[in-house]
Amino acid sequence: KAGVTQTPRYLIKTRGQQVTLSCSPISGHRSVSWYQQTPGQGLQFLFEYFSETQRNKGNFPGRFSGRQFSNSRSEMNVSTLELGDSALYLCASSLVTGTEQYFGPGTRLTVT
Amino acid sequence: GNSVTQMEGPVTLSEEAFLTINCTYTATGYPSLFWYVQYPGEGLQLLLKATKADDKGSNKGFEATYRKETTSFHLEKGSVQVSDSAVYFCAPPAGGYNKLIFGAGTRLAVHP
Repeated sequence: KAGVTQTPRYLIKTRGQQVTLSCSPISGHRSVSWYQQTPGQGLQFLFEYFSETQRNKGNFPGRFSGRQFSNSRSEMNVSTLELGDSALYLCASSLVTGTEQYFGPGTRLTVT
Repeated sequence: GNSVTQMEGPVTLSEEAFLTINCTYTATGYPSLFWYVQYPGEGLQLLLKATKADDKGSNKGFEATYRKETTSFHLEKGSVQVSDSAVYFCAPPAGGYNKLIFGAGTRLAVHP
């Protein structure tokens, strides 16, 4: 069974631009979670989607948004990029609530 | 809310040495607990899990026992290898849907 895939793997953007990251979960997994990893803040939860509904949200500004499609694929969007948004963005999928999450390789975003 | 405290690194060991990485947590109820590992330049991989109190999770020679009386989930390996060099994260649920909280991570360096 294929793992979690994320595209693109690397991205360079300029301050003020917006970006969309994509995540395809493991087949059959309906929950998708997003995390941001930075050297200073570590791993922080962004949000979680299940059956196209956002069920949980972390403490991030409204510039960070996401959505999930009927095939469980998910996208996250960051608008008006800031230098501090440079990070590794990780997507994870799980079968049901409370079970283990499987992570993708991440998208490394660099904002210049 | 739930929280996790993880042993700070870096931890430097010689090959075949014994490894312990401490992890304590606070949580409501007895949720499943997880250890993840991150190799350089990669996403997180699930290393092992325990789904209830007194459970022992194990994988690739690593073990961790879910101790409800001490709210701990320490990671151990009897004989580390150079290939075990990575960052290890203890991850209990944060409450809510599929939201994990991560400690700062413990960097392990194993030299020959």
